[in-house]
Amino acid sequence: DAKTTQPNSMESNEEEPVHLPCNHSTISGTDYIHWYRQLPSQGPEYVIHGLTSNVNNRMASLAIAEDRKSSTLILHRATLRDAAVYYCILRDVDNYGQNFVFGPGTRLSVLP
Amino acid sequence: DAMVIQNPRYQVTQFGKPVTLSCSQTLNHNVMYWYQQKSSQAPKLLFHYYDKDFNNEADTPDNFQSRRPNTSFCFLDIRSPGLGDAAMYLCATRSGTGFNQPQHFGDGTRLSIL
Repeated sequence: DAKTTQPNSMESNEEEPVHLPCNHSTISGTDYIHWYRQLPSQGPEYVIHGLTSNVNNRMASLAIAEDRKSSTLILHRATLRDAAVYYCILRDVDNYGQNFVFGPGTRLSVLP
Repeated sequence: DAMVIQNPRYQVTQFGKPVTLSCSQTLNHNVMYWYQQKSSQAPKLLFHYYDKDFNNEADTPDNFQSRRPNTSFCFLDIRSPGLGDAAMYLCATRSGTGFNQPQHFGDGTRLSIL
C-alpha cells in the first residue's frame, strides 16, 4: 500500500477553518484518498473520500492536488466536537480495496 | 440506531485465560474487520471476512482467531491473552458492492489483562 504522511498534531481556534494536510507522493492512479477521524473513546468514523476532483459533503471538503501527491481536508468552521485524530488513508481499487492501512494520523486540538 | 455493536465495551480477563469479543451489525454488510488499537497508536488490521472467506494479515499472531457464524455476527477469540494484548479492539463493516464504500466502525471493546 502507498504510504501517507501527516503532521502529528495541529491546533485550531473554534469557529475558524482548519486545513489538515496529507502527503502521498507514491500514490498510484487507482488509489482513492480516504479520510477518517476518531473522537476520544470512539471508533473511527468516515469523513470523506475522493480520487481526482475536489469533494464536498456535510462534514468537510477534500482538496486534491492536481498531481495527486497531496491532499487537504478542510473543516470550514471548527467546533470543539471536531477535536479528534484525523487519518488520511489510500485505498487501492485494483487490490480489490478490501482493506487499508491507518497511518499515525493528525491529532487536532480545538481551542475555545 | 447503532449499526455496529460491540459487546462488552470493557472486558477484563486474566493472563492466559481465553476471552471472546463480540461484534454484531445491522447493516447487512458482507465485509467485516477486526482491528487492534493500542494506546496512542493507529488501528492495526488483524483480519477480515469477505462473506465467509477469512483473510488473515501476515503479522497477526496465531493467538488471535475469528469466527463468523452468519452475516450479522463476528467474534474475536484470544486463546491465551498476554499482557501485550491489552488494547482496544475495533470491529468494522463495509458493503462489498462498491470498492469505495466506507467502513463503519463500532465503538470498540477495551480489553485489560490482569
